[in-house]
Amino acid sequence: LAKTTQPISMDSYEGQEVNITCSHNNIATNDYITWYQQFPSQGPRFIIQGYKTKVTNEVASLFIPADRKSSTLSLPRVSLSDTAVYYCLVVGGATNKLIFGTGTLLAVQP
Amino acid sequence: EAGVTQFPSHSVIEKGQTVTLRCDPISGHDNLYWYRRVMGKEIKFLLHFVKESKQDESGMPNNRFLAERTGGTYSTLKVQPAELEDSGVYFCASSQDWARQGNGYTFGSGTRLTVV
Repeated sequence: LAKTTQPISMDSYEGQEVNITCSHNNIATNDYITWYQQFPSQGPRFIIQGYKTKVTNEVASLFIPADRKSSTLSLPRVSLSDTAVYYCLVVGGATNKLIFGTGTLLAVQP
Repeated sequence: EAGVTQFPSHSVIEKGQTVTLRCDPISGHDNLYWYRRVMGKEIKFLLHFVKESKQDESGMPNNRFLAERTGGTYSTLKVQPAELEDSGVYFCASSQDWARQGNGYTFGSGTRLTVV
């Protein structure tokens, strides 16, 4: 499975748009890009997944360039409750193990 | 529907004792997974059940860890004897299908294990 690299932490203010970029240079053809969110004292929660171009749901948007070597999770108008760790994962192939990296700790301030 | 439930939420035991963690997956989910995060490290895969069968146990750290899923419903993870380095948060997840793209997992809130 491809290793991912993302910033350790980010700061933002309420109402701002937050973009978290993840690098996955060794992504394979069959791999999907998946993002999870984790609040303190809870397990990770699926946010969004994509293969290429752009995916949008009620929570976030995911932008994936043509070479698929990176992806950007976009959270519109964040609130204090969006403070969490965001994990970028590349999943696919013959296994369905999730390989978590360090994640990005997003701190939203008032 | 009820989510993935883990018991207990916290456990403090002495080194050398035995602890059993339990996970109740979402009803109807054939796939059950155990993950853990030890202090300062990343969340790591432990094993995967499909119904009552162990599909992949490549992440189990050593033979002090025993996972079971009798009847293909709930699962237990026993640590015997517990060591200090086993302290961490143990997560259980379940999925209905072979969630190969990673989007079908539902995680529980975890069991925080502290070995003193």
